Amino acid sequence: AQKVTQAQTEISVVEKEDVTLDCVYETRDTTYYLFWYKQPPSGELVFLIRRNSFDEQNEISGRYSWNFQKSTSSFNFTITASQVVDSAVYFCALSEIYNQGGKLIFGQGTELSVKP
Amino acid sequence: NAGVTQTPKFQVLKTGQSMTLQCAQDMNHEYMSWYRQDPGMGLRLIHYSVGAGITDQGEVPNGYNVSRSTTEDFPLRLLSAAPSQTSVYFCASSYSRGGRNSNQPQHFGDGTRLSIL
Repeated sequence: AQKVTQAQTEISVVEKEDVTLDCVYETRDTTYYLFWYKQPPSGELVFLIRRNSFDEQNEISGRYSWNFQKSTSSFNFTITASQVVDSAVYFCALSEIYNQGGKLIFGQGTELSVKP
Repeated sequence: NAGVTQTPKFQVLKTGQSMTLQCAQDMNHEYMSWYRQDPGMGLRLIHYSVGAGITDQGEVPNGYNVSRSTTEDFPLRLLSAAPSQTSVYFCASSYSRGGRNSNQPQHFGDGTRLSIL
């Protein structure tokens, strides 16, 4: 069965600190997609990144970076020089690659609080 | 471009009442789904559809019905509301052609906050 674990329920940092959100997944599939979504206090879900299991290259987008390690089944998310606007709940999710549409299995979420 | 539209945004029901949560998308997406979000549990899939006339159960389907008569609409029905169904409900849609073109990022609606008394 598929499972996503975000062991960090809450993280609190001071502005400008770097912070890493952990995501560990379980799947018996050899091909799959991983996602990160952000849920700000306003409640909507914002797509951040999609990564397929064939591509283990790390990715950087501005202050955001993602470290995908297939060997440890992890897809961690790092925010560099955090800002108050980064305060949100972040979800990691997993989907089978040949599942039409891609049913998402979500982790429990990590609530990040960035204090000024 | 409206994206995924959910109505209502808030609703309070009494136990045993029925209601329909509406979801509409204007992106011509084949795939639509409903999730519920509960504290500490992330989002869990209730029902999904890969196209008009096709629906299937997700992880937590009990107490909910769906139908997909058009590509645009995917309503979620609570037949007899129970306090355990108090939650925030999200509808999502995505483009899907299966295979390597599947699993496109899902677009989520803003959510419906439902309270069952």
